[in-house]
Amino acid sequence: EAQVTQNPRYLITVTGKKLTVTCSQNMNHEYMSWYRQDPGLGLRQIYYSMNVEVTDKGDVPEGYKVSRKEKRNFPLILESPSPNQTSLYFCASSPRIRGNIQYFGAGTRLSVL
Amino acid sequence: AQKVTQAQTEISVVEKEDVTLDCVYETRDTTYYLFWYKQPPSGELVFLIRRNSFDEQNEISGRYSWNFQKSTSSFNFTITASQVVDSAVYFCALSEASENTGFQKLVFGTGTRLLVSP
Repeated sequence: EAQVTQNPRYLITVTGKKLTVTCSQNMNHEYMSWYRQDPGLGLRQIYYSMNVEVTDKGDVPEGYKVSRKEKRNFPLILESPSPNQTSLYFCASSPRIRGNIQYFGAGTRLSVL
Repeated sequence: AQKVTQAQTEISVVEKEDVTLDCVYETRDTTYYLFWYKQPPSGELVFLIRRNSFDEQNEISGRYSWNFQKSTSSFNFTITASQVVDSAVYFCALSEASENTGFQKLVFGTGTRLLVSP
């Protein structure tokens, strides 16, 4: 089954404790992105990747890192989480064709205390 | 800069009523794509429709229909005879693609929460 898989689905952590949210897709998509969803703000892009070893900042990259060492994986790293990073996070992937549909993972709900 | 406005924060209807969710967008590009996604209470994002800027035909899929009007920069979504299962947050999104990089970025509206009561 074609899918984007995020782990974990729920995470509670404390300020400053490094964490990684994994994202994997099995559709051989070139593009992958991370978004965060906050009440009243919709979804905002954090980072994106056009292909292996090619990543760039989205609209709200501060406090996040990403890597793309393999085509299927695009982990989101919070080196020193802070309470303002409490949010719902989505990973998405799509083929590298204009206007293509982005497929989303199920989301990761993160709480930073 | 791209922008998507969903002015309706929350709409409440009774089952079987028709409801329209508004979406207004801003872009300077002549080629762009518009999307609607549904986020049910379980939280996942479900793709509903994609429309490119060159195709202004309205689309109907069962009880769902979409009205795309470039003249007013709107891409509205109507649910006919709403059902309780339609209760969700609905997001409108705009995508532009760079000719050079092919990168496409989705800009989302803030969403409209639809509550359908029995």
